[in-house]
Amino acid sequence: EAGVVQSPRYKIIEKKQPVAFWCNPISGHNTLYWYRQNLGQGPELLIRYENEEAVDDSQLPKDRFSAERLKGVDSTLKIQPAELGDSAVYLCASSFPRTARLLAGTYQETQYFGPGTRLLVL
Amino acid sequence: GQQLNQSPQSMFIQEGEDVSMNCTSSSIFNTWLWYKQDPGEGPVLLIALYKAGELTSNGRLTAQFGITRKDSFLNISASIPSDVGIYFCAGQLRDYKLSFGAGTTVTVRA
Repeated sequence: EAGVVQSPRYKIIEKKQPVAFWCNPISGHNTLYWYRQNLGQGPELLIRYENEEAVDDSQLPKDRFSAERLKGVDSTLKIQPAELGDSAVYLCASSFPRTARLLAGTYQETQYFGPGTRLLVL
Repeated sequence: GQQLNQSPQSMFIQEGEDVSMNCTSSSIFNTWLWYKQDPGEGPVLLIALYKAGELTSNGRLTAQFGITRKDSFLNISASIPSDVGIYFCAGQLRDYKLSFGAGTTVTVRA
């Protein structure tokens, strides 16, 4: 079974330029996440989708970041314009539908991560 | 977000050694997860713990969910070269929100 696919794997751009990252989740996973991982840190959630709906975008810097998942499958994360501090690894993750994850009376989502896109802003 | 303190920050291993790392939090979690991240890749789930006091093994890996629900440890027995990488703990209180530690970098001692 194919895992989460992300492209490009690496991207180098100059500041103020736009950049976009693409993610295709594991087949059958209706929940999709975008994370940012700064050097020496763990991932931090940017946005979470259930199907095509962004159900949690509270951590997404909306002045320059945007995301879409128009058909509820693959997703694009965009930065416009990029700043030096945006250099990081952008990870996409996906998980099973909620009805498949009931455990001990609470919903627990096991998230499967893609390889990430390593962005360097010069 | 919630702060997870992961230690040690880095360690050197020699093949055959046992390795231990832990994660503590000021807040309780309902689930503890341990991930490994290889260079140039995304985190891969190693072990998930769902109950306080639970001890779970996955091959040479053993992890425990602390009784207080504020800590967890991961042990690797008889380490091999492919164990090098960055190990992350993550706590999950409910639903989907994960709080990650800063990682423990495991390197082979020359």
